[in-house]
Amino acid sequence: GAGVSQTPSNKVTEKGKYVELRCDPISGHTALYWYRQSLGQGPEFLIYFQGTGAADDSGLPNDRFFAVRPEGSVSTLKIQRTERGDSAVYLCASSLIEGGTGELFFGEGSRLTVL
Amino acid sequence: SQKIEQNSEALNIQEGKTATLTCNYTNYSPAYLQWYRQDPGRGPVFLLLIRENEKEKRKERLKVTFDTTLKQSLFHITASQPADSATYLCALEEAAGNKLTFGGGTRVLVKP
Repeated sequence: GAGVSQTPSNKVTEKGKYVELRCDPISGHTALYWYRQSLGQGPEFLIYFQGTGAADDSGLPNDRFFAVRPEGSVSTLKIQRTERGDSAVYLCASSLIEGGTGELFFGEGSRLTVL
Repeated sequence: SQKIEQNSEALNIQEGKTATLTCNYTNYSPAYLQWYRQDPGRGPVFLLLIRENEKEKRKERLKVTFDTTLKQSLFHITASQPADSATYLCALEEAAGNKLTFGGGTRVLVKP
């Protein structure tokens, strides 16, 4: 597609459940980022992929969060045993530039609500 | 500790005036600083990138300055229009890093 696609756009789940959020980056973009944004805050870095590997996962808050990008394109963010504090908009972005950061192209986000 | 600070109070401005937003940082040595626009319910959209060795960058009605001594970037929207109403985010990347770190954003409301 023309832009970064994220699904689902909205997800409501119950505390303790498992959630997967999907990101389809712009074709040809090797760099992929996940951010989390709470209401009234700026995006908070979670993880960065260069190709298939996670080059920097220092932003993942704890071991309930995991992300994969098995073929270097689509990425899935996985959250186990969800907690109410996980409620936020999860943003995915891709970039053409490797290593240094060029312009990031963001998706519209997946809004996660944990009841 | 590291901080990126943007004015959390909304900036209300009259159409046609210049809006000036501030981004201050502490304990960073950024190689790049970027500005993004974010509309409600949407992802951020890239506007401008300025490098540490650049003082100023312009794009149409937008101007960004970068002062590494003051540890500050200023973002100007000249001849502002109601369509410029949005939240504006600054983000920086350090030379050794490979991720953008964002400030909290400043909401701008341009009144006709």
